[in-house]
Amino acid sequence: AQSVTQLDSQVPVFEEAPVELRCNYSSSVSVYLFWYVQYPNQGLQLLLKYLSGSTLVKGINGFEAEFNKSQTSFHLRKPSVHISDTAEYFCAVSDQAAGNKLTFGGGTRVLVKP
Amino acid sequence: EPEVTQTPSHQVTQMGQEVILRCVPISNHLYFYWYRQILGQKVEFLVSFYNNEISEKSEIFDDQFSVERPDGSNFTLKIRSTKLEDSAMYFCASSPPSGGRPYEQYFGPGTRLTVT
Repeated sequence: AQSVTQLDSQVPVFEEAPVELRCNYSSSVSVYLFWYVQYPNQGLQLLLKYLSGSTLVKGINGFEAEFNKSQTSFHLRKPSVHISDTAEYFCAVSDQAAGNKLTFGGGTRVLVKP
Repeated sequence: EPEVTQTPSHQVTQMGQEVILRCVPISNHLYFYWYRQILGQKVEFLVSFYNNEISEKSEIFDDQFSVERPDGSNFTLKIRSTKLEDSAMYFCASSPPSGGRPYEQYFGPGTRLTVT
């Protein structure tokens, strides 16, 4: 069975500062990894995905994530955040054994302060 | 840009009543999903649907739940007899065909179900 752990439930950060959101997963087979963002009162929007190839993945809104197979991690980073990045961020994994379903982490709430 | 839509945005129902949550997936998508998020908990997979049949379901998706694609555009989740613990945000998602592997799931805004 696969699982996803997001180590930080909340991350306060000042505007224009960098942010890193941590995600670790467990799975017995090759995985596909995703980060989704949920703005207040909205649905889940795909930020970026890792399927194969380069371990550094760039997504929308200046976010990037690095897949580290040995550490089973897929941390999300942004070098300089904006107030508009205030949202909840979800890491998710799917693997061939699990079919197409996504298994989500608990989410990290990012609060960007001026 | 095409979006997944869901109606209603908020549904309040009494315990024991039937509810139908509606979703309109993106038009050329072939894979459909329902997830739910109980307040303060993780987003959980309920069911996936492809080619007019369930392809996978979780332990949560028991006989009280059913899904249907009644026409070419809607995808519904029915809860036959709601319980208090069914109160949650329900998300619909859809995926395009992608070499036989639907890698990206596009989510709707959710329906908040409150069972009283």
